[in-house]
Amino acid sequence: SAVISQKPSRDICQRGTSLTIQCQVDSQVTMMFWYRQQPGQSLTLIATANQGSEATYESGFVIDKFPISRPNLTFSTLTVSNMSPEDSSIYLCSVGFSGGTEAFFGQGTRLTVV
Amino acid sequence: GNSVTQMEGPVTLSEEAFLTINCTYTATGYPSLFWYVQYPGEGLQLLLKATKADDKGSNKGFEATYRKETTSFHLEKGSVQVSDSAVYFCALSQGRSGGSNYKLTFGKGTLLTVNP
Repeated sequence: SAVISQKPSRDICQRGTSLTIQCQVDSQVTMMFWYRQQPGQSLTLIATANQGSEATYESGFVIDKFPISRPNLTFSTLTVSNMSPEDSSIYLCSVGFSGGTEAFFGQGTRLTVV
Repeated sequence: GNSVTQMEGPVTLSEEAFLTINCTYTATGYPSLFWYVQYPGEGLQLLLKATKADDKGSNKGFEATYRKETTSFHLEKGSVQVSDSAVYFCALSQGRSGGSNYKLTFGKGTLLTVNP
């Protein structure tokens, strides 16, 4: 298993600004992912964070809006850029180990854009 | 594409009642199936999983059986406790190896409240 720490746990931001969310894992992991959970909706995969290279985005998500970094095997950041109220969601970091079969999740970051 | 449909909530039960939360899926091939639980104020935790047809996942008194013929993975518990109050998510992953193992498609979640 893994202990995943996300910061901040919650934030209230002004529209037009950007917020960077950090995900720190207590051990080296193979895969890191970012999900979004909009109010009353299921979790949706935003992108796979690739170590040392550009993230791989799912349909409907673009790098300009959600830039992602992953400088090493234990850390990643997700930035929500030029925010609007529609970006109000819970953002979750998820990780997986090589050869494993299950994903582990952080506690999430609850973002409110006003 | 892949999709997961689970029973809409909220579900409210009395302690020791029987629980069923329905989950059906649409996917090509042979996905792996999961139930995750989110207790108040906490992150998602894996509750149980099944990786092939007819497998039964079980944990903490909860069970779910992978039914390929009905594309279902219903969650059951014979006697719920107040401490089971949480949001339950059904999910699938398409891959069996490599990174796609961990890319999950989720249902909308079902809020369960158990009263004493």
